[in-house]
Amino acid sequence: SAVISQKPSRDICQRGTSLTIQCQVDSQVTMMFWYRQQPGQSLTLIATANQGSEATYESGFVIDKFPISRPNLTFSTLTVSNMSPEDSSIYLCSVGTQLTGNTEAFFGQGTRLTVV
Amino acid sequence: DAKTTQPNSMESNEEEPVHLPCNHSTISGTDYIHWYRQLPSQGPEYVIHGLTSNVNNRMASLAIAEDRKSSTLILHRATLRDAAVYYCILRDVAGGGSNYKLTFGKGTLLTVNP
Repeated sequence: SAVISQKPSRDICQRGTSLTIQCQVDSQVTMMFWYRQQPGQSLTLIATANQGSEATYESGFVIDKFPISRPNLTFSTLTVSNMSPEDSSIYLCSVGTQLTGNTEAFFGQGTRLTVV
Repeated sequence: DAKTTQPNSMESNEEEPVHLPCNHSTISGTDYIHWYRQLPSQGPEYVIHGLTSNVNNRMASLAIAEDRKSSTLILHRATLRDAAVYYCILRDVAGGGSNYKLTFGKGTLLTVNP
């Protein structure tokens, strides 16, 4: 199993500013992902955080808006840049401990972001 | 990922069994059926997964149709704590690590009445 700590748990930010969200895992993990959950909606994958290389972004998400770092096997950050009210969402970190897709994924509690 | 279809919402009474259906008519031979749930104000948590045979664990049971085009998550005795959104997700294990990413549908909102 993996225990994930996300910081901050929530924040209220001014439009035009940026927020960096941290994801810390209690053990080394193979895969790390970032999801967004807009109000009343399901989860949407933003990107896969790759250790030592650029993140892999899903359609509709770009590095300039959502830069991601993953310096090691237990830590990643997601930055939401130049925020607007449309960025108000819950942002979740998810990890997988093995390369096989047939095991469970673990999620953090999420970061609730409100942009005013 | 192949798509799944779930009812938008279901309602149950406390301590009664709950059967949550999921249709996945385009499932491929290498797709595993995964269920996750999201309690209010929390991240999703794993519930159960299976390939062809029915599966049981401490949280739930998973019944898979013989043709694998549908499945049912069974909560044997619903509690108030089981009120959540339940997601049925297909994961293709043929592609290695990239298959860790999950494609979430809208899920089923389960309400449990005391």
